[in-house]
Amino acid sequence: QQQVRQSPQSLTVWEGETAILNCSYEDSTFDYFPWYWQFPRESPALLIAIRPVSNKKEDGRFTIFFNKREKKLSLHITDSQPGDSATYFCAASVGTNAYKVIFGKGTHLHVLP
Amino acid sequence: EAAVTQSPRSKVAVTGGKVTLSCHQTNNHDYMYWYRQDTGHGLRLIHYSYVADSTEKGDIPDGYKASRPSQENFSLILELASLSQTAVYFCASSDKLGGRAETLYFGSGTRLTVL
Repeated sequence: QQQVRQSPQSLTVWEGETAILNCSYEDSTFDYFPWYWQFPRESPALLIAIRPVSNKKEDGRFTIFFNKREKKLSLHITDSQPGDSATYFCAASVGTNAYKVIFGKGTHLHVLP
Repeated sequence: EAAVTQSPRSKVAVTGGKVTLSCHQTNNHDYMYWYRQDTGHGLRLIHYSYVADSTEKGDIPDGYKASRPSQENFSLILELASLSQTAVYFCASSDKLGGRAETLYFGSGTRLTVL
């Protein structure tokens, strides 16, 4: 089944700590994994993305680690800031249907000052 | 900058009534999407389209129809609105690389309340 699963549902960290958000999938045809973030009362927006040819993608304080064998990936946010408080969605582009994009249920991140 | 415009921004509809949500993009993107967002469910794909005059069913198409009369416009139609369709609806367009959807650009959303 084409699904993207995220955990935890909610995560609270202190300012300066590293937040780790997890994502897993079952369909090995998934071949593009973007992460979107959404602030309250706003629309989702692309944060960072990775393709299975890489096992790591870094952009400033945000890093995706990808394990193709286990079909898992994680988003690490180092030196978390209160402004990072948002809902983070892991998404996948379906390889056999390359214009279909599905999302996980999201992780609500709260960064306390 | 990429622009996806949804209308209306919010709507109250009666059960059994017809509702049309509109989306217009000026990105020159081929791919367009309708998602529904509910607390606890994330973003669920209702319908999508990769070319004008053609639409595809997403993961939760029941109770919804879609229309793509042109590259720029993509509508979501609820022929008989039901209470369970109360949600926030997002339209998105996507550029493509090698035929694959890339970054999704979302509209501001339509908050639909069915009474």
